[in-house]
Amino acid sequence: DAGVIQSPRHEVTEMGQEVTLRCKPISGHDYLFWYRQTMMRGLELLIYFNNNVPIDDSGMPEDRFSAKMPNASFSTLKIQPSEPRDSAVYFCASRTGTSGGAPYNEQFFGPGTRLTVL
Amino acid sequence: AQKITQTQPGMFVQEKEAVTLDCTYDTSDPSYGLFWYKQPSSGEMIFLIYQGSYDQQNATEGRYSLNFQKARKSANLVISASQLGDSAMYFCAMREPQWGGSYIPTFGRGTSLIVHP
Repeated sequence: DAGVIQSPRHEVTEMGQEVTLRCKPISGHDYLFWYRQTMMRGLELLIYFNNNVPIDDSGMPEDRFSAKMPNASFSTLKIQPSEPRDSAVYFCASRTGTSGGAPYNEQFFGPGTRLTVL
Repeated sequence: AQKITQTQPGMFVQEKEAVTLDCTYDTSDPSYGLFWYKQPSSGEMIFLIYQGSYDQQNATEGRYSLNFQKARKSANLVISASQLGDSAMYFCAMREPQWGGSYIPTFGRGTSLIVHP
């Protein structure tokens, strides 16, 4: 399996622009998570999906952030408009929902997208 | 309150020596799991080891072992025979059941480990 795939790996944009981050989870995983990592706040859970349905978006910082999962193999995290304080590494992760998959239901992380908003 | 506390922002160890990275957790649920992840400078998050709350023995995976002390609510990671490639950030995480039965992990702030020759 190719693992969790994220694109782009790096994104540099100007304040006010729309940014879309993409994620392809591991096939067969029915949970998908979006995290943001910064030096100040560490690793924060933004939102997670189960079977393509958003379950908890309480970590989404503002209405400028939105996430969708139109099907089991694709999710997007959108920031509109972007601000310099959104600069961070954004991780997507996926896992199975039962112990029949990964032995410990550990999350498998993508390589991350490093976002810089100027 | 912090659910996962990693009190050591940075640790240094000499190559080939053992090192212990601390992690304490807070939960009232009897069913939970503890994970350790490694994040090298390249940025990816790599799963290392898992300990379930009902597991009788401490988890081990190669040079990694987990010193699980349930009464103290601690789950320290022990790396034996450190290698230069062990230099990285290490994150402790706990999963506990949420409503609906799903398990969602909470991550600590991490410990930076530097292994020097």
